[in-house]
Amino acid sequence: SQQGEEDPQALSIQEGENATMNCSYKTSINNLQWYRQNSGRGLVHLILIRSNEREKHSGRLRVTLDTSKKSSSLLITASRAADTASYFCATARLEQAGTALIFGKGTTLSVSS
Amino acid sequence: ETGVTQSPTHLIKTRGQQVTLRCSSQSGHNTVSWYQQALGQGPQFIFQYYREEENGRGNFPPRFSGLQFPNYSSELNVNALELDDSALYLCASSLYRGYEQYFGPGTRLTVT
Repeated sequence: SQQGEEDPQALSIQEGENATMNCSYKTSINNLQWYRQNSGRGLVHLILIRSNEREKHSGRLRVTLDTSKKSSSLLITASRAADTASYFCATARLEQAGTALIFGKGTTLSVSS
Repeated sequence: ETGVTQSPTHLIKTRGQQVTLRCSSQSGHNTVSWYQQALGQGPQFIFQYYREEENGRGNFPPRFSGLQFPNYSSELNVNALELDDSALYLCASSLYRGYEQYFGPGTRLTVT
């Protein structure tokens, strides 16, 4: 079953605009991660935010986490055509040796020039 | 680009056949996880391997099985293929109990 639900499902913006996508999850978490996927290929890890953090930045990315609302948001500032991809939030379920990532259905971002 | 590689890139099989997918971990990573991603969906956790043993499994039937080798590479085997097995299969490597996972490019499996 999928833990996170991203919103919106699809987002179309112009280059230079900001893109915001949201993620809601159901159970308590240790951390939440965001991944990016280009054209149905492998996922690329973008950023991890721990449950005791409220905001984190990485380059043009800003992630917030509200554990009381069980939600997170990913903001991409000054979007570029190369940011066109699907974005997934993932929570981690701790297994014996590591973690199983539980993904949402993703937000498809299209950035036009 | 991560250091995780997968083979083959694409595969077409017939319902009822068996398939083996392969994954080489990123250097230094000792844990491998496999995910299934149907079209338009997020990846679904299949199982994870550490020290050549299965450690954790998602909601997949026993006809999905795996192996991990001493060099940490891994195989995913699917028996008695069904049409719904058509998907992108992703492997990801990580450190022991590490949260961040590094994904390979995936194998696209089509079952006809």
